[in-house]
Amino acid sequence: EIVMAQSPATLSVSPGERGTLSCRASQNIDSNLAWYQRKPGQAPRLLIYGASIRATGIPARFSGSGSGTDFTLTISSLQSEDFAVYFCQQYSNWPRTFGQGTKVELK
Amino acid sequence: QVQLQESGPGVVKPSGTLSLICAVSGASVSSSDWWTWVRQPPGKGLEWIGEMFHSGPTTYNPSLEGRVTISVDKSKNQFSLSLTSVTAADTALYYCARGRALYGGTIDTWGQGTLVTVSS
Repeated sequence: EIVMAQSPATLSVSPGERGTLSCRASQNIDSNLAWYQRKPGQAPRLLIYGASIRATGIPARFSGSGSGTDFTLTISSLQSEDFAVYFCQQYSNWPRTFGQGTKVELK
Repeated sequence: QVQLQESGPGVVKPSGTLSLICAVSGASVSSSDWWTWVRQPPGKGLEWIGEMFHSGPTTYNPSLEGRVTISVDKSKNQFSLSLTSVTAADTALYYCARGRALYGGTIDTWGQGTLVTVSS
C-alpha cells in the first residue's frame, strides 16, 4: 500500500502568518491527493482535491500544489478558525491511505 | 446540503460483530458515488476500511478482508458496515463518508464519527 508521510507533526504559527504543510507519498500518485481539515467534535472538511483544486466554499488563502510524490498545502495568512489538524489522503490506488496529520497550533 | 450520520452500538463484545449504519440525507445512495467507511483507533492515524460504488462492486482494505462487509439499502437511503470477529484492536472512531465521482473519487463529505469500543 502507499504510505503517506506528513510533516511537520505540529506547526506553531501566529495569526496572520503563513503556514506550509507537506505530504509525501511512497510512490507516484499523480495528482490524486486531497487535503482535509478536522476540528474536535466535527466532521472532517474537504479543502483541496486533485492536489490543487479548492473545494466549494474553501477560502482562497488555502492552496495546494505538487504532483507525483511531493505535495504542499499552504495557508497564506492563518486565521483563528484555521487552527486544527490537517491530513492528506491519496486516492490513486487501493487501499486509500491517509497521512498521520499535522496539527496547526497557536504560537 | 449532504449530511451523513453514523449510528450503532457504542460497545461490542470481543469476538462479536460490529454493525454500523450511515443515514444519508441530501443525496441518494443510488447515485454514482462511493459509499465509504474510515476509522481511527485511539492515538493512531486514519484507516480506510472500504467502499461500495452505489449498489455495485465493493473494495475492502486487505488488512480487514474476510471480516468486513459494506452494503447499501436503497429503500432507506443508507449504507452499513459489518465487521466480524472483533478484538480490542477494532476499538476506534468510525466515520462514514461519500467518495464523489465528480471529484475523481475524493471523499467530499464525512459524518461526525461514532466511537465503538470493543470490551467485555
